[in-house]
Amino acid sequence: ETGVTQTPRHLVMGMTNKKSLKCEQHLGHNAMYWYKQSAKKPLELMFVYSLEERVENNSVPSRFSPECPNSSHLFLHLHTLQPEDSALYLCASSQDTGLGTDTQYFGPGTRLTVL
Amino acid sequence: AQSVTQLDSHVSVSEGTPVLLRCNYSSSYSPSLFWYVQHPNKGLQLLLKYTSAATLVKGINGFEAEFKKSETSFHLTKPSAHMSDAAEYFCVVSNKTSGTYKYIFGTGTRLKVLA
Repeated sequence: ETGVTQTPRHLVMGMTNKKSLKCEQHLGHNAMYWYKQSAKKPLELMFVYSLEERVENNSVPSRFSPECPNSSHLFLHLHTLQPEDSALYLCASSQDTGLGTDTQYFGPGTRLTVL
Repeated sequence: AQSVTQLDSHVSVSEGTPVLLRCNYSSSYSPSLFWYVQHPNKGLQLLLKYTSAATLVKGINGFEAEFKKSETSFHLTKPSAHMSDAAEYFCVVSNKTSGTYKYIFGTGTRLKVLA
């Protein structure tokens, strides 16, 4: 399999549940990203990892907890979410974070609904 | 700080007619600029990017964009729209903060193609 894959594609959870989103990239990249895409809002960058080290945390609530065990895998652990957290969560990867010309490659996203 | 403004939230064209999606950027130095397309329930796919080489950039599916420094614009065009072009399009500028480059997204333009 090539590119960036995300699982699950759809997730419905209650506010008290704990779940995890998974992202895997098969491109040999060093950087990975989590974005949140809500209706009528620009894409919001949540977290950036470079070589498994978190280099950006954009004031994201602690109910979102990222994990990057290696440069190919990225997780987003979800706990005690709110209905306003319902959105499409996109994962992306790039060669690195040190070049402005680097292209980010996106996965298909996980559509999350919080009841 | 870098930013992008997509001037139209919705654009409708008839099949076979030209497409113009407008994007203006703000940057204190020579930017890297990207156009991405997102089809329903899919991730973002790179159409093209400008990285200070040729000002006219050709992308996939017949799209192209011209970097105009004097107008701070990077408009996306296609000579003849196809039904499959119906999607949301995002203009992106790459911004460097704290040594890391990150994408700044426009709010998107939804393209509708009429038969």
